Amino acid sequence: QQQVKQSPQSLIVQKGGISIINCAYENTAFDYFPWYQQFPGKGPALLIAIRPDVSEKKEGRFTISFNKSAKQFSLHIMDSQPGDSATYFCAASKGGYNKLIFGAGTRLAVHP
Amino acid sequence: ETGVTQTPRHLVMGMTNKKSLKCEQHLGHNAMYWYKQSAKKPLELMFVYNFKEQTENNSVPSRFSPECPNSSHLFLHLHTLQPEDSALYLCASSQGTGNNYEQYFGPGTRLTVT
Repeated sequence: QQQVKQSPQSLIVQKGGISIINCAYENTAFDYFPWYQQFPGKGPALLIAIRPDVSEKKEGRFTISFNKSAKQFSLHIMDSQPGDSATYFCAASKGGYNKLIFGAGTRLAVHP
Repeated sequence: ETGVTQTPRHLVMGMTNKKSLKCEQHLGHNAMYWYKQSAKKPLELMFVYNFKEQTENNSVPSRFSPECPNSSHLFLHLHTLQPEDSALYLCASSQGTGNNYEQYFGPGTRLTVT
């Protein structure tokens, strides 16, 4: 049973465009929603995270939008750059505990 | 060395072999984690240790045996593995086990079981 569903599986965006990755969850007890970025040969690294008491969080070109009623959250990458080409994972955890449930990942390619 | 290091980076082993994966964190953290990353599947949490004590075993088969001798080192002992165990094994650490603490991942060990 996949508790966090991520889409699309892969995404191609032109340089300067907006990349949008979506995640949906089932467990309303989740209280922490991070996004991780993984480059080939590297481990995932935390990019940005949100808690359900806010609907949006922005850090530089990266924004998380959170819709609690729809049980969905998304990552927006503005002005996408070739250096953003990586695999992105959404995740969720509950109870204030660091047991992360990950989505399946989205492979983003930003073409010059 | 800084951050989280893992050795070896690549490992090929037969189904009857015994091998160990090593993880070391240089961040002064108290919690350490093992994850399995298979192709086209979500990262799966395997084990969690906090202050050297195992706090989570995510129904992992006994052919995977973790060991945490201190807060800086984490091992994953492998024996009689199956080909489906081939994957990238990632280690992570965090200051604590609350989700207000960021998890820092190592680069992983690419394991191939033949």
